[in-house]
Amino acid sequence: GQNIDQPTEMTATEGAIVQINCTYQTSGFNGLFWYQQHAGEAPTFLSYNVLDGLEEKGRFSSFLSRSKGYSYLLLKELQMKDSASYLCAVTNSNYQLIWGAGTKLIIKP
Amino acid sequence: DTAVSQTPKYLVTQMGNDKSIKCEQNLGHDTMYWYKQDSKKFLKIMFSYNNKELIINETVPNRFSPKSPDKAHLNLHINSLELGDSAVYFCASSLAGFSGANVLTFGAGSRLTVL
Repeated sequence: GQNIDQPTEMTATEGAIVQINCTYQTSGFNGLFWYQQHAGEAPTFLSYNVLDGLEEKGRFSSFLSRSKGYSYLLLKELQMKDSASYLCAVTNSNYQLIWGAGTKLIIKP
Repeated sequence: DTAVSQTPKYLVTQMGNDKSIKCEQNLGHDTMYWYKQDSKKFLKIMFSYNNKELIINETVPNRFSPKSPDKAHLNLHINSLELGDSAVYFCASSLAGFSGANVLTFGAGSRLTVL
């Protein structure tokens, strides 16, 4: 089967750094996405990785290792508004998007 | 201007009823989707249309019937609603269906509660 694994919930402190991990087993690979979803709202696109390495975008960075089937999302200088669920999704060889259940990130003052 | 808009935002109805959710996108995208997000927060693809043609039809009860009158609209009709249909339904769109870098733009969601 195909699946995406990520922690269910994480807690971090305002101003700190947090790393949300994602491991995947899919039939082929054509890219990995991170989306942010605030409670009661729609998911919004954060990042896309298709090659190994780190992609930086402001306070958020995303890393990919295809050989390990592994990615992480790194959030720096955490703000209260970063409290949300973070969804990892992988496009497989049939261009189907396989979604993880998301990691709920709780930021404490 | 809202990029992907879906109506209604909330829907409360009785078991056995029939209901529809409408979706429209003004992004000029070719591909539209319906996703179901249940209480465990898994996003499950239901249907995908590319230029009004069905390209993905996951294992969904045939009580669910999508309709795409044009590439900017994708509506979802549900017959004989069941308790298990209670979920948030998201419409989404993207530039093209068959691409690894296919960024989805989601609508705000329609929360369906079946009593």
